[in-house]
Amino acid sequence: NAGVTQTPKFQVLKTGQSMTLQCAQDMNHEYMSWYRQDPGMGLRLIHYSVGAGITDQGEVPNGYNVSRSTTEDFPLRLLSAAPSQTSVYFCASSYSKGAKQYFGPGTRLTVT
Amino acid sequence: GQQLNQSPQSMFIQEGEDVSMNCTSSSIFNTWLWYKQDPGEGPVLLIALYKAGELTSNGRLTAQFGITRKDSFLNISASIPSDVGIYFCAGQEPSGNEKLTFGTGTRLTIIP
Repeated sequence: NAGVTQTPKFQVLKTGQSMTLQCAQDMNHEYMSWYRQDPGMGLRLIHYSVGAGITDQGEVPNGYNVSRSTTEDFPLRLLSAAPSQTSVYFCASSYSKGAKQYFGPGTRLTVT
Repeated sequence: GQQLNQSPQSMFIQEGEDVSMNCTSSSIFNTWLWYKQDPGEGPVLLIALYKAGELTSNGRLTAQFGITRKDSFLNISASIPSDVGIYFCAGQEPSGNEKLTFGTGTRLTIIP
C-alpha cells in the first residue's frame, strides 16, 4: 500500500490564482480530511468527508472547496488564492470510527 | 470550539534523558492520540488511547489517558537522537464524528 499520497509537494501561486491539491488513499478508508499547519498553531481542520458524496466543513473552511466523488480521492480546491493561505496542507484518512488518522506527506503552498 | 493546551512548547534535553509532555482539554474526549512529526513530513501516529486510565506503551514511549478524560501524558524514556521532532496530541470528542482537535505541539531538541 502507498498509504496517503499528496501532490504536488511544493507550489507557488500568485494572489487570485486557483489550483487543486490532490489527495489519494489506497486503504479503502471512509473518512478523509484536510488540515493546514501554520507555525505555533498545530493542525487545523479545513474540510472532511465521511464517505463518497458526503463532505462537511471543519474549523477553517473559508476559501476552500472539496468534493468526494470516489472513496480514494479527496481534492482540495483554492478558487482564488490569498497570501493568508500560505501554509503546509496535510491530507489524512481513517477507517470509520477508528479515529486513527494516517497523514500524507504534505503540500507546502506559498501565495505571493 | 474545543481547545487543547499542550506543554511544554519546547524541550532541550541531553541524550539519555527521560521526557514528559502533556495535553489538557477544556472538555471530555473519547480518544487521545499522540503523533510525531519529522521536518518536511506528515505526522505519524505513535500511540492511540481509548479508555480513561488506559496506559499504553510503544517501545520507549508510554502514554496515558487521564482519568478525568480531559488530559493525556506522553513519556519518552532514555531519549536518542531520532526522537527529535515535534510531538502532537490530538483528541476526539464524544460526538460520534471523526473530527480531531490537535494540540500546538512540543518541539523536542537533543543537545549534543
